[in-house]
Amino acid sequence: AQSVTQLDSQVPVFEEAPVELRCNYSSSVSVYLFWYVQYPNQGLQLLLKYLSGSTLVESINGFEAEFNKSQTSFHLRKPSVHISDTAEYFCAVNTGFQKLVFGTGTRLLVSP
Amino acid sequence: DVKVTQSSRYLVKRTGEKVFLECVQDMDHENMFWYRQDPGLGLRLIYFSYDVKMKEKGDIPEGYSVSREKKERFSLILESASTNQTSMYLCASSSPDRGETQYFGPGTRLLVL
Repeated sequence: AQSVTQLDSQVPVFEEAPVELRCNYSSSVSVYLFWYVQYPNQGLQLLLKYLSGSTLVESINGFEAEFNKSQTSFHLRKPSVHISDTAEYFCAVNTGFQKLVFGTGTRLLVSP
Repeated sequence: DVKVTQSSRYLVKRTGEKVFLECVQDMDHENMFWYRQDPGLGLRLIYFSYDVKMKEKGDIPEGYSVSREKKERFSLILESASTNQTSMYLCASSSPDRGETQYFGPGTRLLVL
């Protein structure tokens, strides 16, 4: 069965510093990959997704993620974070059915 | 904008009570999902539905049932609430294509005493 691993449960960073949130998945078939973000007291919302084509995908608020098939990874990066990026981030994989399998989440804490 | 609404943001119930959580979406989506979210465990799928009156078990269906009588509405039922069902419950909907985004409601935080 497919699974998603987010090794870091919490990542503290200072404002304007770069950040990387790691995501690894296990699947022997082709995958679609997603990053969702959950701001405090809200539901999840899509940040970005990889379906096919270019392995580097970007979101409108400066995040990007790179699909690496050989390393089965889909790490999320941002070159300079803001206080408003404080949230929980979930990586998810879809491997051919209509369901998503989510990782356990990484809490990004941005300090001034 | 897609909108997924959930009937309550916070709910307090007693052990043994029957609990109904309602979810409504306004985008005519075929798929609807119920997840529970617990710290350190991420989101786990309870049930999903890909059409009216159709349902499939997710990863943790025990102690739950669902109902989908209309396309826009998906209900989660706790037949006899227990303290280990204290959690955040999230509803989502999507169109049926594999790469489609799931749209989430704001969640219902349920406390079972």
